[in-house]
Amino acid sequence: DTAVSQTPKYLVTQMGNDKSIKCEQNLGHDTMYWYKQDSKKFLKIMFSYNNKELIINETVPNRFSPKSPDKAHLNLHINSLELGDSAVYFCASQSRVTPLHFGNGTRLTVT
Amino acid sequence: SQQGEEDPQALSIQEGENATMNCSYKTSINNLQWYRQNSGRGLVHLILIRSNEREKHSGRLRVTLDTSKKSSSLLITASRAADTASYFCATDNNDMRFGAGTRLTVKP
Repeated sequence: DTAVSQTPKYLVTQMGNDKSIKCEQNLGHDTMYWYKQDSKKFLKIMFSYNNKELIINETVPNRFSPKSPDKAHLNLHINSLELGDSAVYFCASQSRVTPLHFGNGTRLTVT
Repeated sequence: SQQGEEDPQALSIQEGENATMNCSYKTSINNLQWYRQNSGRGLVHLILIRSNEREKHSGRLRVTLDTSKKSSSLLITASRAADTASYFCATDNNDMRFGAGTRLTVKP
């Protein structure tokens, strides 16, 4: 009954590959986010969706493409992976009156 | 650009001592939130303080907010080894932006 779940937990892949990370929330929240946490622990917002509509699209390479099939899901597809994409990616959700609820992260390692 | 910037980057104290972490931000806010992150886990919400509040308590946590200085502080009293984690602030100005956090180590 995890509130925000992301899969996979670990992802190891080679440069140039395409991969996806999935996120689902069962909290009924309207807004979902993707964050990237680098090795220095800096947590940077990447995307925000509200009711399946893109709200925030930070300066992220267009190799990253979020997809929200419904408001409970926000997936992240990454094309042509690069070494610098190695990080922990966190999904989060919230409603207007609640704080953020985070998933436990996906550790992506690009070799 | 990020909003919340935590200070110090790292803090090491003995169990029983108090820990104070600071957060600065750049623009006007609706509220400011503090989160905790244990190693290998997602962030967990600790406390929210609204822009019209100056101080808020929750158990051993005390948060202050100074909107004129665009800063907030998180005080953890009587720290425990289990408080060892990274602490982040985030401002809710239509989106949620974080900094790099303060890494707190509480030695038993």
